[in-house]
Amino acid sequence: GEDVEQSLFLSVREGDSSVINCTYTDSSSTYLYWYKQEPGAGLQLLTYIFSNMDMKQDQRLTVLLNKKDKHLSLRIADTQTGDSAIYFCAETPNSGYALNFGKGTSLLVTP
Amino acid sequence: EAEVAQSPRYKITEKSQAVAFWCDPISGHATLYWYRQILGQGPELLVQFQDESVVDDSQLPKDRFSAERLKGVDSTLKIQPAELGDSAMYLCASSRDRVAFFGQGTRLTVV
Repeated sequence: GEDVEQSLFLSVREGDSSVINCTYTDSSSTYLYWYKQEPGAGLQLLTYIFSNMDMKQDQRLTVLLNKKDKHLSLRIADTQTGDSAIYFCAETPNSGYALNFGKGTSLLVTP
Repeated sequence: EAEVAQSPRYKITEKSQAVAFWCDPISGHATLYWYRQILGQGPELLVQFQDESVVDDSQLPKDRFSAERLKGVDSTLKIQPAELGDSAMYLCASSRDRVAFFGQGTRLTVV
């Protein structure tokens, strides 16, 4: 499928904001998602955004979508040590419903 | 809160043996996916079901992998014979309206 690309690693201090970025290449993508994975566990859905939206906010999470640049970001406000995990960006193209994932961004939150 | 159930959580098997994984999706979710996640990578789709029908199995190694969802509810993924390269996390997900929820996964180690 089309590529979804993410930076591999991000380190922030506790209390700061984290911004995780993602680029995708399939212009027909209609749904874009952020999942969180803790060590040895499955994927937890954090949030998703429809392609006709520019922004979605859910408590400490803010998702920004730039369709022109095919760029998606996840901002975590007041990052806590419990936010340390791998974050996956995923897309669903119009052609089917299966999610196409990036390789994940490992977020490390230090005290 | 409804969850996707998977078993077993962990499985160690010798190469050339057969192994099977089970998944029970969230009630009412017609779409079921099996993904494989190699350590350090994002999940990759193996097979997608819509009710009891296979929608996409283009990435399923059919010489050794098989999947079924006989009554359109729970599903089984089988590998026979297992190879060392099959060591990975096997994730099941179910969805309705394009929002997918994942189980905790089965960690397979082939020795």
